[in-house]
Amino acid sequence: DVKVTQSSRYLVKRTGEKVFLECVQDMDHENMFWYRQDPGLGLRLIYFSYDVKMKEKGDIPEGYSVSREKKERFSLILESASTNQTSMYLCASRPTGQETQYFGPGTRLLVL
Amino acid sequence: ELKVEQNPLFLSMQEGKNYTIYCNYSTTSDRLYWYRQDPGKSLESLFVLLSNGAVKQEGRLMASLDTKARLSTLHITAAVHDLSATYFCAGGGTSYGKLTFGQGTILTVHP
Repeated sequence: DVKVTQSSRYLVKRTGEKVFLECVQDMDHENMFWYRQDPGLGLRLIYFSYDVKMKEKGDIPEGYSVSREKKERFSLILESASTNQTSMYLCASRPTGQETQYFGPGTRLLVL
Repeated sequence: ELKVEQNPLFLSMQEGKNYTIYCNYSTTSDRLYWYRQDPGKSLESLFVLLSNGAVKQEGRLMASLDTKARLSTLHITAAVHDLSATYFCAGGGTSYGKLTFGQGTILTVHP
């Protein structure tokens, strides 16, 4: 079974803090994705990566950065957290040549 | 830029009834995906539709794709309580698997 894990289920941070969200997949997938999920907006793509050290902006990259130093790990960084970044963050991975994205359990982030 | 819109956004059904969720998308999308999300859980893949006229069925759910109309439907037959969840459609997939999601449809099935 494919397993995508995220470092925290719930996180509370203060405005201005630097926040790291970690995602690890155990199936050697090339492609990894970070989404945020907000009610009524569905999932919106923040960044994705198709290989180690490679990254591409998604639809809403402002205020975020990412890091992929190892194939299995994809990190989302909030350089200076703001209250409008309070959201559910979902990580996903997908092997090249297959259709399905496999999602992690999500991290619910509250920025005070 | 691909945009995906679902309707309805909220659906309250009685057990045993049939209903359809609609997913419209704005530009060409080679493939269309349906996902399910249970409350407090992550997304689970239901269907991947890869070509015009594609139809897939699993239990009480059937998904179809009409690329000419830029429309996919998720039909629910004889709903049961266990189908209560949020359903998302998503288009795209060809560029590194990048997806654009609809807003989601919150389905509640009542006895």
